Amino acid sequence: NAGVTQTPKFRVLKTGQSMTLLCAQDMNHEYMYWYRQDPGMGLRLIHYSVGEGTTAKGEVPDGYNVSRLKKQNFLLGLESAAPSQTSVYFCASSRDSKLNQPQHFGDGTRLSIL
Amino acid sequence: DQQVKQNSPSLSVQEGRISILNCDYTNSMFDYFLWYKKYPAEGPTFLISISSIKDKNEDGRFTVFLNKSAKHLSLHIVPSQPGDSAVYFCAASVGYGGSQGNLIFGKGTKLSVKP
Repeated sequence: NAGVTQTPKFRVLKTGQSMTLLCAQDMNHEYMYWYRQDPGMGLRLIHYSVGEGTTAKGEVPDGYNVSRLKKQNFLLGLESAAPSQTSVYFCASSRDSKLNQPQHFGDGTRLSIL
Repeated sequence: DQQVKQNSPSLSVQEGRISILNCDYTNSMFDYFLWYKKYPAEGPTFLISISSIKDKNEDGRFTVFLNKSAKHLSLHIVPSQPGDSAVYFCAASVGYGGSQGNLIFGKGTKLSVKP
């Protein structure tokens, strides 16, 4: 009963390095989301996808790119990491928009940029 | 400008008593509200929701109340148990999902239930 799985769980990067965070869901959900959570803050939406092959910007998209090549996967990329991107990143998925479908979250990726 | 506000960063209650967590919002277009619970090192878990056509929704020990005129909602936990100790996030959206339903989260309230 995996649900939403995020890889990796922890990562330390140097400023300027690039990396990709992977999110996989096994619930056949249409919608997927990437959030970041900073200390003392709520979750803020970075990018989201309403279906395979689609992506859209959220509240704080700058410095990030995403791809949804397969329905079950949603990738978050940092092309040139900056210390301001140090955060905990959460991926979520939901079934559709027809009903009140709550989002299901992964356990997060803790990313530190030095 | 915060659209969803949880003004109490923390709350401590005794086991068996009622816990009341509060949330205020500023956007009158919000029509769907959710509460999530988060344990350390885990992702948020959906707890309970309410749509704007209702003023109350119950699920076991958890009840959410919505006061649209005051733009205020609250989560009641009765009776509180030590396992309820977690951070609780209030979230709101316009519409029910997809591009219209993106969630706006409050900063969270850390609940501690003491045995």
